[in-house]
Amino acid sequence: GAVVSQHPSWVICKSGTSVKIECRSLDFQATTMFWYRQFPKQSLMLMATSNEGSKATYEQGVEKDKFLINHASLTLSTLTVTSAHPEDSSFYICSAPLALSSYEQYFGPGTRLTVT
Amino acid sequence: QKEVEQNSGPLSVPEGAIASLNCTYSDRVSQSFFWYRQYSGKSPELIMSIYSNGDKEDGRFTAQLNKASQYVSLLIRDSQPSDSATYLCAVKLSQAGTALIFGKGTTLSVSS
Repeated sequence: GAVVSQHPSWVICKSGTSVKIECRSLDFQATTMFWYRQFPKQSLMLMATSNEGSKATYEQGVEKDKFLINHASLTLSTLTVTSAHPEDSSFYICSAPLALSSYEQYFGPGTRLTVT
Repeated sequence: QKEVEQNSGPLSVPEGAIASLNCTYSDRVSQSFFWYRQYSGKSPELIMSIYSNGDKEDGRFTAQLNKASQYVSLLIRDSQPSDSATYLCAVKLSQAGTALIFGKGTTLSVSS
């Protein structure tokens, strides 16, 4: 099946610093990728839709200046958490459909961010 | 607001029994429905997709869809301890390129 990778798998950073998370589609091209966040014992919450070559679309309540998304190529989307705070500590997961018309989405393994 | 509802559980079944997981959704135009399995600390893994009314079987898993009732379910036959996980119901709206809307998940515990 389709493979989506994320890097790093976990990261610990100090409050006020920025962290970049990469999401790659390894064996297919993804014009669209999705970024989710999951707090402990809660479901996945969509943060934003990443579109190759254009601006990301953010969900209501997600600060676009804090969560910077760049989809510079058909296989790579990045999420940068700027000026991280402890409340940003969460499990960040990206997903991608095989094609824009595909209904099935495949998830990366996730990145666990801890802000101290 | 589009919503997907699931009973959070936990749902406890003995090994070998049938586990039944249920999900309702609010948006009538939804066309695609998915069940994901998520082990603790891991990302979701797609186990079933269903697009048409009726049943769809894949091994020990059967997905059932009733669009008139806006209801989708997942049956797991011959449940195994390794099936213990959180099962997420996800719905995709009809527009192309849109993300999935997830329920909060049902935690399944299979005891040996």
